[in-house]
Amino acid sequence: AQSVSQHNHHVILSEAASLELGCNYSYGGTVNLFWYVQYPGQHLQLLLKYFSGDPLVKGIKGFEAEFIKSKFSFNLRKPSVQWSDTAEYFCAVNVWNQGGKLIFGQGTELSVKP
Amino acid sequence: EAGVAQSPRYKIIEKRQSVAFWCNPISGHATLYWYQQILGQGPKLLIQFQNNGVVDDSQLPKDRFSAERLKGVDSTLKIQPAKLEDSAVYLCASSLEDGYKAFFGQGTRLTVV
Repeated sequence: AQSVSQHNHHVILSEAASLELGCNYSYGGTVNLFWYVQYPGQHLQLLLKYFSGDPLVKGIKGFEAEFIKSKFSFNLRKPSVQWSDTAEYFCAVNVWNQGGKLIFGQGTELSVKP
Repeated sequence: EAGVAQSPRYKIIEKRQSVAFWCNPISGHATLYWYQQILGQGPKLLIQFQNNGVVDDSQLPKDRFSAERLKGVDSTLKIQPAKLEDSAVYLCASSLEDGYKAFFGQGTRLTVV
């Protein structure tokens, strides 16, 4: 069965530190990849997505992610985090041609200290 | 643009009782999803509708869970009877089409005591 693994359960950073959250998936076929963010008390929002083309995708709020097909990875990065980036981050995979369902990782809670 | 609306936001019930959740997707979105998010885990798909037809309900515990989407718009998810392990946040999401960007509602937090 397809699965998504996020490497870190909880990450604590100081403001201006760089961020990288790991995400690996287990499926050998064509996939669409997503990062969702959930700010405290809010609903899940799309941060960025990869369908095809340039494997380096840019999203909202200065986030970017790189798809490395050979490593089955889609890591999320941000050069300099802010206190307002405190949230839970979910990596998700949609298997192409198998409907629109998203398979989520378990999430990474990011705490940014001011 | 109006988002995905869900109600109620919170619900506490005793085990063996029944409960229903309601979802109104974004206007024009043909695809509607119900996800279950247990504390500490990522959301897991329960059921997917395309208009008013079921596309995927492989992970829906059909002995106690049911869902419908009348007229291809609003949807309800029901649990009868509830178990303690059903305590979770139930998320509704909608999208224009399969595999496209999904918009999520705020969810209903269910506590079964």
